[in-house]
Amino acid sequence: AQSVAQPEDQVNVAEGNPLTVKCTYSVSGNPYLFWYVQYPNRGLQFLLKYITGDNLVKGSYGFEAEFNKSQTSFHLKKPSALVSDSALYFCAVREQGGADGLTFGKGTHLIIQP
Amino acid sequence: DTEVTQTPKHLVMGMTNKKSLKCEQHMGHRAMYWYKQKAKKPPELMFVYSYEKLSINESVPSRFSPECPNSSLLNLHLHALQPEDSALYLCASSPWGGASSSDTQYFGPGTRLTVL
Repeated sequence: AQSVAQPEDQVNVAEGNPLTVKCTYSVSGNPYLFWYVQYPNRGLQFLLKYITGDNLVKGSYGFEAEFNKSQTSFHLKKPSALVSDSALYFCAVREQGGADGLTFGKGTHLIIQP
Repeated sequence: DTEVTQTPKHLVMGMTNKKSLKCEQHMGHRAMYWYKQKAKKPPELMFVYSYEKLSINESVPSRFSPECPNSSLLNLHLHALQPEDSALYLCASSPWGGASSSDTQYFGPGTRLTVL
């Protein structure tokens, strides 16, 4: 079975500071990893994904994520936070060759303070 | 264009009603999905339609039934729902789907369902 853990319910960051949203995963084989963002009463917007290759993945809106196989982590980062980055962030996984569909973490509320 | 559209945006229904949610994509994607998202919870997969085949999450009750009239449409028929079925229902599509796929899933805005 596959699972995702997002250990922080909420992350608070001052505008202009770097941000990190943590994610760890568990799969039997190799993972495909995704980050999505959700604004209130909206669907999920895709930010970035890791398939294979370079461990540092760059995505939309200046976000990036680093895949670490030994720590089974895929933390989301941004060098300089904007107030508009405030939203709910979900990490998701699916196992290569496994069942279709994504398994999501519980989500992390990111709050950027002006 | 990475747009998935869902109608209606909001739906209120009684426990004896029959209603349908509609999802449409015009990206030529071959796989479509329904997820259920309760308040303050992550989305949970309900159904997958890919390679003209429907896969069902075994925990989904039979009062939910998907229908795929063509490759760009995925409906979710609702019958005799319970108040605990109130949630945001999200539709997604991806180019191919399937076990080996690394496709990105693109989500619609969702239908907010309230069951009275």
